[in-house]
Amino acid sequence: DVVMTQSPLSLPVTLGQPASISCRSSQSLVHSNGNTFLNWFQQRPGQSPRRLIYKVSNRDSGVPDRFSGSGSGTDFTLQISRVEAEDVGVYYCMQATHWPWTFGQGTKVEIK
Amino acid sequence: EVQLVESGGGLVQPGGSLRLSCVASGFTFSSCWMRWVRQAPGRGLETVANIKDDGGEKYYVDSVKGRFTISRDNAKNSLYLQMSSLRDEDTAVYYCTSAIRGDSRDYWGQGTLVTVSS
Repeated sequence: DVVMTQSPLSLPVTLGQPASISCRSSQSLVHSNGNTFLNWFQQRPGQSPRRLIYKVSNRDSGVPDRFSGSGSGTDFTLQISRVEAEDVGVYYCMQATHWPWTFGQGTKVEIK
Repeated sequence: EVQLVESGGGLVQPGGSLRLSCVASGFTFSSCWMRWVRQAPGRGLETVANIKDDGGEKYYVDSVKGRFTISRDNAKNSLYLQMSSLRDEDTAVYYCTSAIRGDSRDYWGQGTLVTVSS
């Protein structure tokens, strides 16, 4: 199975400041069709997960533009340009290139 | 409004069986790959099984192969997960969710809790 490794696992941030989460995969996430199926999810406390980013850098409907995704191959990053209080929660990367689709361990974002 | 409503969770003894259901509304269910994702208490997320839009392809994570069966009824806009030979480690919240890789459709239910315990 593809192992997804996130860092850091805990991220205290100051409101209005940027934040960055790294995700590395144990093998390339480039699919034979040329797409890279790397997603980012947000799970707020007590809620179901919600996808923020698909195919590395595409924002889902309704996702604020302060969230952005980048990367290629095996190294990917989720960036929040200016953290707001509603961004508190756990963030997961997930690959959907190889079966089984696998998630990272999660990064807990909290306000300092 | 898109909705996915799961049901069927509960307390079951090890070795027992349970059937989860998920009813979809607000989108074209029959054109969407779907999946079940679970989350053990205080833990991360795990994809359990995927099913193609027409039900013709099914995929399972190794830990549930031979014990769980994913299915769907597009006429009823419903997704199912038949779980048997349940183990303690199957205890989790089970989410019904879309499995679309290539566009902005991503839908999640509220989850249903399955507790395997004697």
